[in-house]
Parts: sequence; structure tokens; C-alpha cells
Amino acid sequence: EDQVTQSPEALRLQEGESSSLNCSYTVSGLRGLFWYRQDPGKGPEFLFTLYSAGEEKEKERLKATLTKKESFLHITAPKPEDSATYLCAVQARSSNTGKLIFGQGTTLQVKP
Amino acid sequence: DAGVIQSPRHEVTEMGQEVTLRCKPISGHDYLFWYRQTMMRGLELLIYFNNNVPIDDSGMPEDRFSAKMPNASFSTLKIQPSEPRDSAVYFCASSLGVPTEAFFGQGTRLTVV
Repeated sequence: EDQVTQSPEALRLQEGESSSLNCSYTVSGLRGLFWYRQDPGKGPEFLFTLYSAGEEKEKERLKATLTKKESFLHITAPKPEDSATYLCAVQARSSNTGKLIFGQGTTLQVKP
Repeated sequence: DAGVIQSPRHEVTEMGQEVTLRCKPISGHDYLFWYRQTMMRGLELLIYFNNNVPIDDSGMPEDRFSAKMPNASFSTLKIQPSEPRDSAVYFCASSLGVPTEAFFGQGTRLTVV
């Protein structure tokens, strides 16, 4: 069964304290792995798509990496405005559909 | 483009009533998805359409739920009759083909009392 597990569930950082969020996945052929950011009361906002192991994407203080079993979202020198829930999702090749399977998310709080 | 537009933003209804949620996808997107988000189960796919045709409705919890997409710019998700356990945030998303990223609306927070 296709599955996505994110860790930790919650993370508290001081402003400027770099860290990483983990997304482990089990899928019958990966078509794509997606990272989203969700603020309270809002819909998920797209951040990155990764397609193959070894691929990396960067945007401001965020960098996403992908291996055959997991993805990391690295946050460098975070700011309070980076506080949000970060969601990871996968799309399986075998399903031949657009279905996204989401993890439960990591809630990040960055304190000034 | 204004993005994916959902209405209403909030809905409070009594158990047994019919509820209709609405979605306008991004123009030109040929995939439309309905998700439900709860604390316990996270984001779950209910149903999705490709070119207005329902492709996978295996996530629809039961016959009380139905979804339609009469044209490329409009979709509805209906719950009849509604139950308290249907309380959740319902999201609509659209994408331009697969595998590409899906863009989400702001959601409809449904409360069934």
C-alpha cells in the first residue's frame, strides 16, 4: 500500500536555527513527490516537485532533496514567517492517476 | 488568474440537511480534485475529474456524497443527508495534467451540528 510518513510531527526552532523535515514514502513507482506549505485557515500552497532520486530544488531558505526512500526539506536560518505546516505528498506511477497521497504534515514554529 | 475559488468559505448546517460545496478551477486546468482534511486523517482524496469526467471516486466515503462537474469551470460536491462526522475542511484543487503540481483553493469549513 502506498504510504507517506512525515517526521517530526511538530518542530520548534529559534530564528536562525537551521533544521530538516523528513518525508519517508513507500510507493509502487514514484511519479512525483510534492512539498506544500499550509498556513492556518488556508489551503496548501505548492512549494516544490521532485521527480527522481538525487534531484534538489531551492527556494529562498528552503531546499528539498529526494532519495529512493525519502525526501528532506531543509530550512536554513528560518524566520518567524516560515512558521506553518509543511505537507509532503507522492504520486504513484502505477496508479496512472493524478492522485496525491499526503503525509500528516510537520508543524513548524519559529520563534524570534 | 484568481486561483481556485471555493464557496462558501464556511458552512454550518443541521444534521440531515443537504450541503452543496462549489468550486471554480483555474482556467485551462484539466484535472480537478476534491479533498477532505481532518485532524485525525489529514488530507484525503475524495474524487477527481479529468476533462469533466469522474476518474476515481474510491475515496468518496459513502453514497451520501456525490460530485459533479457539468463544465470545465465548475464543480460541486454534495452531501445528502449530512451527518456530524462530515464536519471537516473540504478543499478543491486543480492541475494541468499529471504529474504536475495541484493548486488548492482556500477550502470550505463545514460544521454539521
